[in-house]
Amino acid sequence: SQKIEQNSEALNIQEGKTATLTCNYTNYSPAYLQWYRQDPGRGPVFLLLIRENEKEKRKERLKVTFDTTLKQSLFHITASQPADSATYLCALGDDSSYKLIFGSGTRLLVRP
Amino acid sequence: GAGVSQTPSNKVTEKGKYVELRCDPISGHTALYWYRQSLGQGPEFLIYFQGTGAADDSGLPNDRFFAVRPEGSVSTLKIQRTERGDSAVYLCASSSTVGNEQFFGPGTRLTVL
Repeated sequence: SQKIEQNSEALNIQEGKTATLTCNYTNYSPAYLQWYRQDPGRGPVFLLLIRENEKEKRKERLKVTFDTTLKQSLFHITASQPADSATYLCALGDDSSYKLIFGSGTRLLVRP
Repeated sequence: GAGVSQTPSNKVTEKGKYVELRCDPISGHTALYWYRQSLGQGPEFLIYFQGTGAADDSGLPNDRFFAVRPEGSVSTLKIQRTERGDSAVYLCASSSTVGNEQFFGPGTRLTVL
């Protein structure tokens, strides 16, 4: 069955540094991958979508890469701020069913 | 509306009871999704609608779970004979069409005693 792995340990970094979060998957060939941010007690908020034919996408301080050979996506937040502290979820989808399969998320803590 | 809304925000019920959870999607969004999220886990897909019809209900865990969207907007997730294992946050999301970014509601926290 499809499996998505995100680092279950929290990532703790200093303000101003670049945060890099990893999403690995197996037994799946997604057509696209999405990243969401989730704060405690809230629903996930969409950040970026990258399709299988795209290598990299950027939005302000965010950058996502998608390597279909390695079956991996990297999510970067540059010049991180304490307000970036949250749980980040990756989700995979395909054009046949459109449902999203989520990873368990990685918690990011940015220290001032 | 401004965003996806879900009611109630919290629901406490006793084992064996019936519950209904409501989702109001963003106006005009044709696709609507239900997910379930347990503590420390990502959302788990349950069902999605394209318009009024359930396009994929493969995530519903068993026949105690049922969802409807009779007029293509508001959706209700219905759980019969609730069990303690049904306790979770139930999230609803909508999108302008399938495959696009999904906009999530705040969720309904269901607790089955």
